[in-house]
Amino acid sequence: DVKVTQSSRYLVKRTGEKVFLECVQDMDHENMFWYRQDPGLGLRLIYFSYDVKMKEKGDIPEGYSVSREKKERFSLILESASTNQTSMYLCASQGNDEQYFGPGTRLTVT
Amino acid sequence: AQSVTQPDIHITVSEGASLELRCNYSYGATPYLFWYVQSPGQGLQLLLKYFSGDTLVQGIKGFEAEFKRSQSSFNLRKPSVHWSDAAEYFCAVDPTSGTYKYIFGTGTRLKVLA
Repeated sequence: DVKVTQSSRYLVKRTGEKVFLECVQDMDHENMFWYRQDPGLGLRLIYFSYDVKMKEKGDIPEGYSVSREKKERFSLILESASTNQTSMYLCASQGNDEQYFGPGTRLTVT
Repeated sequence: AQSVTQPDIHITVSEGASLELRCNYSYGATPYLFWYVQSPGQGLQLLLKYFSGDTLVQGIKGFEAEFKRSQSSFNLRKPSVHWSDAAEYFCAVDPTSGTYKYIFGTGTRLKVLA
């Protein structure tokens, strides 16, 4: 069975902290994605990666960076967390013409 | 501008009633089309997808969707709703049919009355 896991379900961080969100997939997929989900806005693409060490900006990359050192792992980094980055973060990997999602990380920045 | 519209933010139906969730898109060519469901506290699960061919698509959990090119719509339907269908539903399109950069609608939250 396809599996995408995210390192934390809930996370609370302080303004200015560096935050790492980890995502791991076990399907050997090349494409991986990070979205943020906000009420009334749906899912918005932050970054995606189409291969190891390859990345491309999505629609809202400001304030975020990513890292993909291994095929199965795609990390989202908030260099200096701000309160407007409080959100649900969803990771996905692409295969078989569909995206498979992790359970999400609800990040609160105080 | 390219967009995906789900005009209904909230829908409430009684258990056993039929359901239709609306989705419209504004792209020139026919994109790849998807419906996902998100149960409370969970990630998204694919219900069904349309790429080409038969415009009526069957999915999991008894859902179906119909692609109507003339209306740029891809509405999701279920003939008889169960209480476990209460969730948020997202329509998504891949506008360039294979780049995998999906555009998601804003979602429709379904409430089911017993």
